[in-house]
Amino acid sequence: DAGVTQSPTHLIKTRGQQVTLRCSPKSGHDTVSWYQQALGQGPQFIFQYYEEEERQRGNFPDRFSGHQFPNYSSELNVNALWLGDSALYLCASSLVTTGELFFGEGSRLTVL
Amino acid sequence: AQTVTQSQPEMSVQEAETVTLSCTYDTSESNYYLFWYKQPPSRQMILVIRQEAYKQQNATENRFSVNFQKAAKSFSLKISDSQLGDTAMYFCAFMTGSTPLVFGKGTRLSVIA
Repeated sequence: DAGVTQSPTHLIKTRGQQVTLRCSPKSGHDTVSWYQQALGQGPQFIFQYYEEEERQRGNFPDRFSGHQFPNYSSELNVNALWLGDSALYLCASSLVTTGELFFGEGSRLTVL
Repeated sequence: AQTVTQSQPEMSVQEAETVTLSCTYDTSESNYYLFWYKQPPSRQMILVIRQEAYKQQNATENRFSVNFQKAAKSFSLKISDSQLGDTAMYFCAFMTGSTPLVFGKGTRLSVIA
């Protein structure tokens, strides 16, 4: 049973560029959540997708957007990157009925 | 808004000893869920233990157990017989049925041989 998979694992961008991160949920899961984890900090909630709709959103600017596909996989897009966006981006999947989150290994984004 | 506070940025314990990590939270909700997650250097967040607020009995998973004090809004994690593989960041987290998972800032635990 494949768990949550994320790609890419590492990437480097420059300020002003755009990035897309991808997530495939654990088999059977229908909900995907995205978190940003700055170095030495706890993860911060970005948003959650269910049935291809953004269900909840944390305190992040509109530069952060997402999408969920019919197969439940998800993308996180960040536009106009700035240095402060450098972080580990974690994807977590769950069943909407139970809410228990299973995490991927994350995508490490470095903005230069 | 719900908040989670972990007051111990770093802790260390000798192998085979017992260590307790502290966590407090703030909420006006009566029904919620509490979690401890472990994040080793490999980065993947792994669920250690889960507690439902409506259950009075403290959750236990092998060497891991919690002390859940609902009135005090406290949720500590006890690790017994510490092993080198327990070295990791530990995050306390909170959620309700309608709010996302909120994490504390974490406690870095080092198990020393």
